[in-house]
This record gives sequence, structure tokens and C-alpha cells, in this order.
Amino acid sequence: DIQMTQSPSSLSASVGDRVTITCRASQSISNFLNWYQQRPGKAPKLLIYAASSLQSGVPSRFSGSGSGTDFSLTISSLQPEDFATYYCQQSYSTPLTFGGGTKVEIK
Amino acid sequence: QMQLQESGPGLVKPSQTLSLTCTVSGGSMSSGGYYWTWIRQHPGKGLEWIGYIYYSGNTFYNPSFESRVTISVDTSKNQFSLKLNSVTAADTAVYYCALRVVKAMTTGYFYGMDVWGQGTTVTVSS
Repeated sequence: DIQMTQSPSSLSASVGDRVTITCRASQSISNFLNWYQQRPGKAPKLLIYAASSLQSGVPSRFSGSGSGTDFSLTISSLQPEDFATYYCQQSYSTPLTFGGGTKVEIK
Repeated sequence: QMQLQESGPGLVKPSQTLSLTCTVSGGSMSSGGYYWTWIRQHPGKGLEWIGYIYYSGNTFYNPSFESRVTISVDTSKNQFSLKLNSVTAADTAVYYCALRVVKAMTTGYFYGMDVWGQGTTVTVSS
């Protein structure tokens, strides 16, 4: 199985801050990497697919980059509705696997 | 707009079978490129892929569950289902159904879980 490791596991930030979350795969997954946002008590929501493609309807302040084993999700200017937990997920091979999550909290 | 809704018992006894159904609305289950997916989340923990089924009936399971899990689809009812046998307390989780969609790009085919149900909590307890 491909292990996905996210860092940090949590962070505190203020509205307007630029935030970057990283995700590392245990082997190369090319750019078969997705990012999801999960608000408390809600289902996850797809933000980014193919490492850097923005899902329809997702604000442009979200961006993704990376290839191979190292990836990042950046929120350019954090908004109140962005306080949530973020997960990366590899779609390179089954079993599909997720990172452990990064909780973005209000400072 | 495709929507998914899970249903099933919220409480299952140990050693019994967990059975959940996902009802699909707003679209056809028989479209190519759609993989009907089950994912779970232990309380306060991360996400775990259980498996998915193509509309044709081809299934792909997480080896962690393979001996216990069955995913089936009934396109006539616009539903797909999850059965997990011999459950224990470790199977207590929120279970989500989701739609994995293929995205054709110039660089290849990519997949993302575009649509999710709201999730249903299943507790395994006597």
C-alpha cells in the first residue's frame, strides 16, 4: 500500500494568512493526487485533482502543486469558511489511501 | 446535480453483518467513468477506502476488508450497497458513499471523489 503522510497535523492561522500543507507519498505517484476539505460534521469535498487542477466551483485561492512523492496545498488568503481539516489522497493505485489530515484552526 | 444518500441500521451487533444502501439521484448510474464507492471514517480519525464498483458490476476492494466485504449495484433502483460481515467494535465509524469520477485530461485520465453522501454513523455494540 502507498502511505500518505501529511504535515503538519494541525496549524493555527489567521484570516488572510497564506497557508501551505504538505503531503508525501511513500513511492512515486506521478500527479495522481487529490485534496479534500472536510468541515466538522460534514462529508469531505474535492478541492484539487491531478495534483494541481481546481475542481469546478472551488475558489481560486486554493492551489495545488507537486509531482512524484511531494505535494502541497496552498490557501493564498485564508477565509473564515476555510477552517477545516484537509486530506490528501492518492489515486495512483488501489488500495486508495488518504493522508492523516491537517486541521486548520483559528489563531 | 448528482446526489447520494446513505441509509441503513445505525446499530449492529458484533459478529453480525453491516448492511448499508446508497441511493443515487440526479443522474444515471450507468454512465461510463463512474465508480460507486464506499469510504469510512473512525470517530475523530482519517478516511479509509473500503472499495468501489463500476456500473458493469466489476468490484475493487481494499485488501484490508476483502474477505468480509461485498459491494453491489442495482441500477434499476438507482442504488448501490455495502455489506460487511463479522463486524467488531473496530467497525464503528461514519460510512460514506461517494462517486469516483474519471476526468479526461490531455495528460491522461485522473480520478476524484466528486460527490459524497452526508454519511451515516454505524455503531457496533451488543
